Parts: sequence; C-alpha cells; structure tokens
Amino acid sequence: AQSVTQLGSHVSVSEGALVLLRCNYSSSVPPYLFWYVQYPNQGLQLLLKYTTGATLVKGINGFEAEFKKSETSFHLTKPSAHMSDAAEYFCAVSPPPIVMRFGAGTRLTVKP
Amino acid sequence: GAVVSQHPSRVICKSGTSVKIECRSLDFQATTMFWYRQFPKKSLMLMATSNEGSKATYEQGVEKDKFLINHASLTLSTLTVTSAHPEDSSFYICSAPSLAGGETQYFGPGTRLLVL
Repeated sequence: AQSVTQLGSHVSVSEGALVLLRCNYSSSVPPYLFWYVQYPNQGLQLLLKYTTGATLVKGINGFEAEFKKSETSFHLTKPSAHMSDAAEYFCAVSPPPIVMRFGAGTRLTVKP
Repeated sequence: GAVVSQHPSRVICKSGTSVKIECRSLDFQATTMFWYRQFPKKSLMLMATSNEGSKATYEQGVEKDKFLINHASLTLSTLTVTSAHPEDSSFYICSAPSLAGGETQYFGPGTRLLVL
C-alpha cells in the first residue's frame, strides 16, 4: 500500500525566505509523486510531478522538488517565498495506475 | 491544460433531501474519475473511483448506498448524496486523469455542501 507523510501541518516563513515543505512516502512499487496547491475554497492545482527520469523536478511558480529514493522523500522547495504562495500544499503518491493518496497537507503562511 | 468542472459550486439543502453533484471533463475524455471528500483543514479522502459503463469502486468505510455514483459518459460522472444529514456537510472534489498523460489527475474546483 502507498502512503504519504507530510511533516509539519503548518509552516511559516518570511517573504523572501526559503520555503521547504517536507514529504515522505511509502510505496511497494516505484511511485509517482506529486505536489498540489490549494487556495481557499478552490480545487487542487498541480505544482509538479515526478514519474521517471530526472530526480529534480521543476514546477510552476518557481517551486521544485527532488525525488530521493534512499530517503523515500520528495520535499518541495522554493528559494524565495512570495506572499501569493500562502496556501495549503498537498503531497500525493500514486502507484501506476492512477489511484492517488494524499498527505495531510501543510499550510504555508508567508509573513511580510 | 485539461479542465474539469463541477456543478454546483455550492449547495445548501435540508436534512433528508438528496443532492446531485456533477463532474465534467471539458476537453478530454475520462473513463475513470475519482471522488474525494475534504473536511475543513484536512486532507482529501478518496471516496470512490467512478468507472464509465460499470459500477463504481468504493473505498473501505464509504457507504455506497449513501453516496451514489454514476459515470454515464466519457465526460460526466455524478455523485448523489442521498438522504443528506448535517454530518455529510463537506467539500467534495472530483478529479479525472488525462488519457494522454494518465499519471496526472486534473481536479475540479470542488462543491461545498452544507446540510441544515
């Protein structure tokens, strides 16, 4: 079975600071990994995904994540936080095929 | 990119009534769609997998008679919450994988259900 653990339900950073949101996964098969962002009262928007190939994945809005098999991690980073980055972020794992399991989410707050 | 719509975006109903929520893939076909439920400040819980032309597959603990799913066409899946009660109040989100890039799911904007 697949599962995802997001460390830290709430992360607060200052504008311009590094953003690091942690995600660890468990999967019995090579996983597909995803990060989604959710703004209040909206659905989920895909930030980036890892399926195969290059382990450093770049996504939208300046975010990137690195798949580390040895650490079973897929942490999300952004060098410089912007106020508009404040949202809920979800890490998800999918074994091929496509049933997706989500982590509990991390709420990112950006302080001016 | 692929677009998934949901209707309605918000619904308020009385306890005991039934509510239907539609999920449409607007520019692609989806033989499979997924229904999630999200409680306030919580993650998404997969409720069921909707399969075009066949019965839905429900996750453990989800009442199939309570949450009726119909996948009538390659672009439409519906979730009907039957005899709704206040504890059914939640944010319901559907998603559909693009056939072209099957590992990516496209999410609808969600439907907020409030049962009085």
